[in-house]
Parts: sequence; C-alpha cells; structure tokens
Amino acid sequence: DVKVTQSSRYLVKRTGEKVFLECVQDMDHENMFWYRQDPGLGLRLIYFSYDVKMKEKGDIPEGYSVSREKKERFSLILESASTNQTSMYLCASALRAASLYEQYFGPGTRLTVT
Amino acid sequence: RKEVEQDPGPFNVPEGATVAFNCTYSNSASQSFFWYRQDCRKEPKLLMSVYSSGNEDGRFTAQLNRASQYISLLIRDSKLSDSATYLCVVKWVANAGNMLTFGGGTRLMVKP
Repeated sequence: DVKVTQSSRYLVKRTGEKVFLECVQDMDHENMFWYRQDPGLGLRLIYFSYDVKMKEKGDIPEGYSVSREKKERFSLILESASTNQTSMYLCASALRAASLYEQYFGPGTRLTVT
Repeated sequence: RKEVEQDPGPFNVPEGATVAFNCTYSNSASQSFFWYRQDCRKEPKLLMSVYSSGNEDGRFTAQLNRASQYISLLIRDSKLSDSATYLCVVKWVANAGNMLTFGGGTRLMVKP
C-alpha cells in the first residue's frame, strides 16, 4: 500500500523560529512536492523535486526552502516562521513516468505560527 | 485569474439526489484531467481521471469539453458518504516534467 508520512500532524511555533517539516515516501517515487492549503485558495505548490538533490520553485516559494538528500525524503524549511505561514502543509509524491500520474498525499501538517 | 476555477459551494443536496460540478481551466496546453476527493481534515485522493470521450465509474460520471475548456463531475444517487470536497485537477508538462494544478475545490454536503 502506498505510504506518504509527515513528521507531525500539528505544530505550533513562534514567529522567527526555524521550522522543519519532514516527508517520507516508501514507493520509490522520483517526484516529491510540498503544497500549502488555505481556505478559498486551494492547494498551492511551494517547491517540488524530481530527483535527489534537485529542486524547483513552485508558485509560492518565498519564505521557504527545501532539501532532498535521499530519494525517499523531502524536507520543507521555514527559515524564520511568520504568522502568514500558518497553514496546512501537504506533501505528495508521484512516479514520474506513470501515464496516470497520480499524486499521493501525506496526511498533512497543520502549522500555527504565533 | 486562477488557472483552475471551481464554484466553492457548498452544495447541499438530499440523499438520492443527482448533483453536478463544473470546473474551468485556462491553460490550453493542459494534457490530462482528474477529480480528486478530499474528506474533512484528510488528504486529497484521486477519485477518477477524465477522458476525452467521457467516462463513468459507478455513480460518478466525468466529462471533458476541450473546446470550452471545462470539466464536469456528475454524481447520481448521492450517498451521505459522498460528502467531501471535490478538487478539479489539471496536468500539464513543464521543463521539469509532469505538473498538476489544483482548483480550490467544491464542497458537497449530502443530507439525510
């Protein structure tokens, strides 16, 4: 069974703190993604990675960075958390060559920055 | 203008009703189309792909109109368990490979 896990379901951090969100998939997928989901705005792509050590900016990369040192792990980093980064963060992975190209999502991390 | 637009709803329907959602997309280079379902406080999951000729999966029918750039999802005989948010998703190809763009979702609430 396909599995994408995220390190925390709920997280509360203070403004200015450095925040790490971890995502691990066990399906040997090449592609991994970080989205944030906000009411009325839907899912917005922050960063994605199509291979180890490769990363590409999505639609809203400002204030975020990522790391992909191993194929199964994709980390999202908030260098200095701000209140406007309070959101639900969803990680996803996909098999690059699949014709259906289904993205499998983790359960999400609800981050609150106070 | 959003690339993928959906009516956010909510659509409140009684059990057994037929309900339809539409979605419009602006990128004419879009290649493939999907509907994802997201339950409250859960992650999105693929519901079905949308084929050019239209396709059916049980009570669910998806249709694509490339000329008008819209996709639809029809649910017949609604069940309480159909209550969820339905996300319209468009696939396109970037330099880095396949990409998905998600609509904001349409919320469906099926009442007894």
